[in-house]
Amino acid sequence: QVQLQESGPGLVKPSETLSLTCAVSGYSISSGYYWDWIRQSPGKGLEWIGSIYHTGSTSYNPSLKSRVTISVDTSKNQFSLKLTSATAADTAVYYCARRGIVASIGGFDYWGQGTLVTVSS
Amino acid sequence: DIQMTQSPSSVSASVGDRVTITCRASQDISTWLAWYQQKPGKAPELLIYTASTLQNGVPSRFSGSGSGTNFTLTISSLQPEDFAAYYCQQANSFPLTFGGGTKVEIK
Repeated sequence: QVQLQESGPGLVKPSETLSLTCAVSGYSISSGYYWDWIRQSPGKGLEWIGSIYHTGSTSYNPSLKSRVTISVDTSKNQFSLKLTSATAADTAVYYCARRGIVASIGGFDYWGQGTLVTVSS
Repeated sequence: DIQMTQSPSSVSASVGDRVTITCRASQDISTWLAWYQQKPGKAPELLIYTASTLQNGVPSRFSGSGSGTNFTLTISSLQPEDFAAYYCQQANSFPLTFGGGTKVEIK
């Protein structure tokens, strides 16, 4: 069974970097699929942040591109998100998810449980 | 960015009712559309992808249709476990975008 689990600080100070890691079990990241970050806040609904392929190829939401870095560590079967210069507007539940290339193509078929990150001093 | 507009934003229905949710894209996305169900405190779950393909394990009372800019999600006979929020998502082009959601509530 494929499982994704987010981890990282639940509280980040304004102007600091928000860092999260998604550990994947039950499936090898190197076997395919895209691996994405999505966030959800009451004010903005569901927002796609970006994605990475096991080769390291990335795509980012232009609205966040200047502040976002997504990286992958295939040896640990995990991928990570860094969002710099955090503000209160970045407060949200952050999800990692797997996106289909052939099976479930275009859809996010597995999600982590989500982790609430609050940006506050 | 492609804007996804869902309607209605909420609907009240009874068990056994047929419920239809609409999603409109701001430009042609062919059939690159997915639907999700989300219950409070949980991550969204994929119901349908490529507009009409049912994800493995999803009950057949859920169906999707449409292409281009207009799409629908239909629940043929609402069950107690179906009271939740539903979201559409376009997979045609980056950035991937979601609709604002439709909350299905108990009448």
